[in-house]
Amino acid sequence: GAVVSQHPSRVICKSGTSVKIECRSLDFQATTMFWYRQFPKQSLMLMATSNEGSKATYEQGVEKDKFLINHASLTLSTLTVTSAHPEDSSFYICSAERKYEQYFGPGTRLTVT
Amino acid sequence: QKEVEQNSGPLSVPEGAIASLNCTYSDRGSQSFFWYRQYSGKSPELIMFIYSNGDKEDGRFTAQLNKASQYVSLLIRDSQPSDSATYLCAVTFSGGYNKLIFGAGTRLAVHP
Repeated sequence: GAVVSQHPSRVICKSGTSVKIECRSLDFQATTMFWYRQFPKQSLMLMATSNEGSKATYEQGVEKDKFLINHASLTLSTLTVTSAHPEDSSFYICSAERKYEQYFGPGTRLTVT
Repeated sequence: QKEVEQNSGPLSVPEGAIASLNCTYSDRGSQSFFWYRQYSGKSPELIMFIYSNGDKEDGRFTAQLNKASQYVSLLIRDSQPSDSATYLCAVTFSGGYNKLIFGAGTRLAVHP
């Protein structure tokens, strides 16, 4: 149990375009999901906390208008990177909370050219 | 600033030995502590969690927690080459929502 999927696993886009990443909890309902970003050789940095039916809570320094989060159901949260730039290239990982433990999706590698 | 500190390594141990990974944290209000394993290019995988002071064993893994010293460790017995990965210590932030604060990770290399 506690399987979390992400789609797409890898995406390459041009600078200025927007990219949507989906995070799904496949075998449980998750009221809370989290979005992280990981740059090479660095640890995971929490970007935002996504709660079903309410606005996401963003960490300090994360632009909410650039990283749009929608938690439309108990099994789906989406992260949209708007007007992506090369510096947004990173490994984006979501997690879903079940019984106070976080289970991670496989990640999405975003490359902005 | 809530922080979680780990030695970056690499920690190199021979196959069959015990690997000891350490982590300190700054938030005295933290209640839950997790160890994740991350292979290169992959997302983290939960290995163990611990909430109470003392030791918790699961197979070859033992987590140790000392809240007074704000210290948590992970022991891996009978280390195997497949254990070679980066081990991330994560601590819940007492500010709510069970947010996890991650350490930078310790890279473990188990050599045959």
